[in-house]
Amino acid sequence: GAVVSQHPSWVICKSGTSVKIECRSLDFQATTMFWYRQFPKQSLMLMATSNEGSKATYEQGVEKDKFLINHASLTLSTLTVTSAHPEDSSFYICSVHRTGGTPYEQYFGPGTRLTVT
Amino acid sequence: GQNIDQPTEMTATEGAIVQINCTYQTSGFNGLFWYQQHAGEAPTFLSYNVLDGLEEKGRFSSFLSRSKGYSYLLLKELQMKDSASYLCAPMDSNYQLIWGAGTKLIIKP
Repeated sequence: GAVVSQHPSWVICKSGTSVKIECRSLDFQATTMFWYRQFPKQSLMLMATSNEGSKATYEQGVEKDKFLINHASLTLSTLTVTSAHPEDSSFYICSVHRTGGTPYEQYFGPGTRLTVT
Repeated sequence: GQNIDQPTEMTATEGAIVQINCTYQTSGFNGLFWYQQHAGEAPTFLSYNVLDGLEEKGRFSSFLSRSKGYSYLLLKELQMKDSASYLCAPMDSNYQLIWGAGTKLIIKP
């Protein structure tokens, strides 16, 4: 069965509104979760590393005030796209690394497709 | 810098064998992953190599040469459902996966 879930699987929102995406680890505790974005026919781009109980680490060029990440528990991380614009339309994917696990143990969620109109 | 090089697209025939090559440069190395990604879906794990050599798993095998910064994914007995993008992703010293654009594999009957 699924190890990681994301909700919603797809969302359409109007420009200027905010959208929250949840990533849940279903089978184990995850100290670290990763958020990726993927535009059509492009590679996955790491946006930020989410650490439980501390501030997320954002990659260069990713606006932390626009993409708010909260990792309040060992099984849940949320990504909020604030004041969304059409250029934020993309496929957002989280991955989860099992606490104490080997590097091998990284699992992807099914992704969330965001369309901003 | 960190870099991944894979062919952009490959075409193969159903039932045949195809090898997808990957060369990489990373800051440190903690193994290399291969993922399969169907259009509109998240990547799914195929293999992980951390030592040199060949790892075989059913129809799929993956090879690694750390000294050459080289890996390949071998797919045997190709099926139409194998049409997808294949992503080579080495893990650097910070345990971060480095992603390229992947190889789009087209299977023809």
